[in-house]
Amino acid sequence: EVQLVQSGGGLVKPGGSLRLSCAASGSTFSRYWMHWVRQGPGKGLEWVGRIIDDGRTTYYADFAKGRFTISRDNAKNTVNLQMDSLRVEDTAVYYCAGAGRFVNNWFDPWGQGTLVTVSS
Amino acid sequence: DIQMTQSPSTLSASVGDRVTITCRASQSISGWLAWYQQKPGKAPKLLIYDASSLESGVPSRFSGSGSETEFTLTISSLQPDDFATYYCQQYNTLYSFGQGTKLEIK
Repeated sequence: EVQLVQSGGGLVKPGGSLRLSCAASGSTFSRYWMHWVRQGPGKGLEWVGRIIDDGRTTYYADFAKGRFTISRDNAKNTVNLQMDSLRVEDTAVYYCAGAGRFVNNWFDPWGQGTLVTVSS
Repeated sequence: DIQMTQSPSTLSASVGDRVTITCRASQSISGWLAWYQQKPGKAPKLLIYDASSLESGVPSRFSGSGSETEFTLTISSLQPDDFATYYCQQYNTLYSFGQGTKLEIK
């Protein structure tokens, strides 16, 4: 079973950039669609975006379009979330999560989460 | 966008109680629904997928039912480890989550 370990995160000023990474163990990483989900302080879960198994296609929530970019390297078993033009309201814990191929799939496994704080 | 609405937002119950959480979708999602449990400072944990399929390793006291726009998560006999926040998620059209139900000790 794939396990996900996240890195990156931290404090960044509004308008700044940050890159989150998610490393997978196991040889089946390339079979997963990978998602990013965030959770603001004291709030619920919010889907950010996804990248399909071969990395050719991505899709983003409206708030992420044009600012966030998801990429993956199947040779290195990693997926990344590049966040630009960050806003105070992007402050959240960000989770990576795997899902089976195709649209109609639940999220499992999940990374441990990493905190992003956007503040001046 | 598909909106997911959970009720109640907070639920107070005792060990041994049977509890039910409801999740309603703003449009039909067939059976494309999952339930997750989240504890403070931890990632969500998958409990139920495809509305009623129990994830491997999840205790059988958890069950899910429903289709189209109305779904329920039932815990048949609450255990101390079950006090947490529960989220439903639709994956019929993109992905969206309910706002969460916090299950508290009475």
